[in-house]
Amino acid sequence: ETAVFQTPNYHVTQVGNEVSFNCKQTLGHDTMYWYKQDSKKLLKIMFSYNNKQLIVNETVPRRFSPQSSDKAHLNLRIKSVEPEDSAVYLCASSKRRAGTEVFFGKGTRLTVV
Amino acid sequence: GQQVQQSPASLVLQEGENAELQCNFSSTATQLQWFYQSPGGSLVSLLSNPSGTKHTGRLTSTTVTKERRSSLHISSSQTTDSGTYLCAIDRNMGYKLTFGTGTSLLVDP
Repeated sequence: ETAVFQTPNYHVTQVGNEVSFNCKQTLGHDTMYWYKQDSKKLLKIMFSYNNKQLIVNETVPRRFSPQSSDKAHLNLRIKSVEPEDSAVYLCASSKRRAGTEVFFGKGTRLTVV
Repeated sequence: GQQVQQSPASLVLQEGENAELQCNFSSTATQLQWFYQSPGGSLVSLLSNPSGTKHTGRLTSTTVTKERRSSLHISSSQTTDSGTYLCAIDRNMGYKLTFGTGTSLLVDP
């Protein structure tokens, strides 16, 4: 099956802990993204990578750090989570070109208590 | 202000009725994509339509690039169409989608 796969589906943690989310795509794409969907359901880009290179970093707090080992994997680490980090984190991928179509994973729901 | 605006914010239909969803954007776009998000949260790409008219199944999207607007027509709605429909544009050659706030659709049996 070719798609974007995220783990875990859900994660509950306490304020101050570190969390890591994994994302893998088997679509042969060269660009991967992390988006955040807040409680109001608004989706916003956090990072995008092209061939393991960071291209977009949208004013994300420094406790968030993306990690790309190859163009099929893009993980997200959050050091010392805060309550406002509770959200759904969506990973996506595409082929970098004008008019490209973006495909999303099923998301990781983070709850910080 | 919001770069991508969608209307209506919510819509309730009886099964079998048609739906017309609108998306207006404030800057030129190299890509426009319509997504469906189920109540459970999965985001599925419906149509990729930066210009012109595209059809897939009961869905038709028309994008008028010069007027910076796109519409999504759902014909003969079904209860399984209930969910949130999101419009997103790309202005950065494939590096960043900007999403609208969505239209929440409820189709009653």
